[in-house]
Amino acid sequence: QQQVKQSPQSLIVQKGGISIINCAYENTAFDYFPWYQQFPGKGPALLIAIRPDVSEKKEGRFTISFNKSAKQFSLHIMDSQPGDSATYFCAASSGNTGFQKLVFGTGTRLLVSP
Amino acid sequence: ETGVTQSPTHLIKTRGQQVTLRCSSQSGHNTVSWYQQALGQGPQFIFQYYREEENGRGNFPPRFSGLQFPNYSSELNVNALELDDSALYLCASSEGRLTDTQYFGPGTRLTVL
Repeated sequence: QQQVKQSPQSLIVQKGGISIINCAYENTAFDYFPWYQQFPGKGPALLIAIRPDVSEKKEGRFTISFNKSAKQFSLHIMDSQPGDSATYFCAASSGNTGFQKLVFGTGTRLLVSP
Repeated sequence: ETGVTQSPTHLIKTRGQQVTLRCSSQSGHNTVSWYQQALGQGPQFIFQYYREEENGRGNFPPRFSGLQFPNYSSELNVNALELDDSALYLCASSEGRLTDTQYFGPGTRLTVL
């Protein structure tokens, strides 16, 4: 019940295209859903996050869509650029255990071709 | 504002040895969480420290232990190293034990031979 399932494992998008990465969760106690971007040899960097009281959040070219009934959320990268090439992780957490533990998906390696 | 820093950057140990990794939290943050990221995988939660006490723990054996100091910096200690302990160890800090936003450091790459 703690799993977060992420797809696809890898993705190739042309410059200017839309990149879409999907995640699904089972634990209905999760109440925070961030996306992290990680470049090789670096730590994950927080990109954007959403809470279940909204269905969509947009920050620049990045949008999270959230479907509470389906227990799914996705990241959309508009106008994808070669500099967006990185590994993206979705995650989820809940504070009802007395601490915040991020549960991560397995990652999506995105390559944006010039 | 200084971000999360970790040391060392890389470390090579042999099986059975002990290792200590260090983390300085972001300014104003009193909570530190440690994660293990195996190659090609997402980070896995090890434990969290809040105000110098272990506040929560993931599915890691007792040979993984930690400390948090009064200035909120933290250490991760791993005893009796195994080959499978080879991974990127990440430290993340947050403003409080229930604050959901966590900021990660660059990690320490540990190789166990």
